[in-house]
Amino acid sequence: EDQVTQSPEALRLQEGESSSLNCSYTVSGLRGLFWYRQDPGKGPEFLFTLYSAGEEKEKERLKATLTKKESFLHITAPKPEDSATYLCAVQAGYSTLTFGKGTMLLVSP
Amino acid sequence: DSGVTQTPKHLITATGQRVTLRCSPRSGDLSVYWYQQSLDQGLQFLIQYYNGEERAKGNILERFSAQQFPDLHSELNLSSLELGDSALYFCASSPGTSGTDTQYFGPGTRLTVL
Repeated sequence: EDQVTQSPEALRLQEGESSSLNCSYTVSGLRGLFWYRQDPGKGPEFLFTLYSAGEEKEKERLKATLTKKESFLHITAPKPEDSATYLCAVQAGYSTLTFGKGTMLLVSP
Repeated sequence: DSGVTQTPKHLITATGQRVTLRCSPRSGDLSVYWYQQSLDQGLQFLIQYYNGEERAKGNILERFSAQQFPDLHSELNLSSLELGDSALYFCASSPGTSGTDTQYFGPGTRLTVL
């Protein structure tokens, strides 16, 4: 069974304080790893897809990386508007997405 | 705005009742997915339809059913509702059936069962 574990469950940062969120996974034959951002009461918003170990993608203050066992979402100099829950999901074989429970990020001014 | 629409935004009903949630996918997308999100379980996959046919099934209860119509919109029917069915229900869509297709999520329907 595919498993996705995200840590920490919650993270509080000061504005400008860089950090990383972790997503570790156990799957047979990873086809893709997805990062989403979710604001309270809203639908998940797509951020990145990573397909193979060593791949990196960037968007504004966010950078996602992938190894054979985990992915990191690095947040550089975060702003209060980066506050949200960040969800990681994996797709293996012909199965559909399996999501982690997310990391709730709060960035204080 | 992802381009996926869901109605209604909020739904309040009583135990034992039946409700229907509606989803319209992004223009051109043939796959529709339904997810349930509760505080303790996170985002759980329920069911996928592709071009009108059921494609994959997840943790969907027998009291729940779904269908996708010729115009590609989808409906999720929840019956004999229980308090534990209270949750956010999301619809997502993607162009095809490849697992590496990005799924774009709608704004969700918040269901409250009293």
